[in-house]
Amino acid sequence: DARVTQTPRHKVTEMGQEVTMRCQPILGHNTVFWYRQTMMQGLELLAYFRNRAPLDDSGMPKDRFSAEMPDATLATLKIQPSEPRDSAVYFCASGLGQAPGYNEQFFGPGTRLTVL
Amino acid sequence: AQSVTQLDSQVPVFEEAPVELRCNYSSSVSVYLFWYVQYPNQGLQLLLKYLSGSTLVKGINGFEAEFNKSQTSFHLRKPSVHISDTAEYFCAVSLNTDKLIFGTGTRLQVFP
Repeated sequence: DARVTQTPRHKVTEMGQEVTMRCQPILGHNTVFWYRQTMMQGLELLAYFRNRAPLDDSGMPKDRFSAEMPDATLATLKIQPSEPRDSAVYFCASGLGQAPGYNEQFFGPGTRLTVL
Repeated sequence: AQSVTQLDSQVPVFEEAPVELRCNYSSSVSVYLFWYVQYPNQGLQLLLKYLSGSTLVKGINGFEAEFNKSQTSFHLRKPSVHISDTAEYFCAVSLNTDKLIFGTGTRLQVFP
């Protein structure tokens, strides 16, 4: 049963600490997305990659957020330093990317981040 | 720029009643349309999608949606809901890119 996995599922940290979230996309998927979900803003696209190359990170605060794909099986989202306003659920999704526009995105279970 | 509007933030309904969740989009060009469902403490899961062809699209769990180009709508329907349908439902639109623009979501609450 192929699925996107995310670790950790929950993270509580103090303001100023570094936070790293990891995502393992479905094997064979070449497109990876990072989303943030909050009650106030809903679901926001932070960044996405195709074939490990960043295509769009316009939704990501550049001063403290960074996203990378060290290899095809791992995507990371890092926040340094973290702030209370970063508290949210962070979702990773992957897709086949064969035909831009109508490929299904498969979502992971999310990482619930709380910054105190 | 394209956008998605889900007018109803919450929809309460009794079990076995029909339900319609509304979605309108704005775009000057052709779009692809999606409905995703999010169960509590889970990620989003695709319910159905409209790419082209028949305007009535059938999805999983007995849901269907109808694309109406003149009204720029893509409403989601189910003739008889179950308790297990309680979840948040997101409408999304994309142009010819990988990016999805999501609506703000509609929380469907099914009561016994």
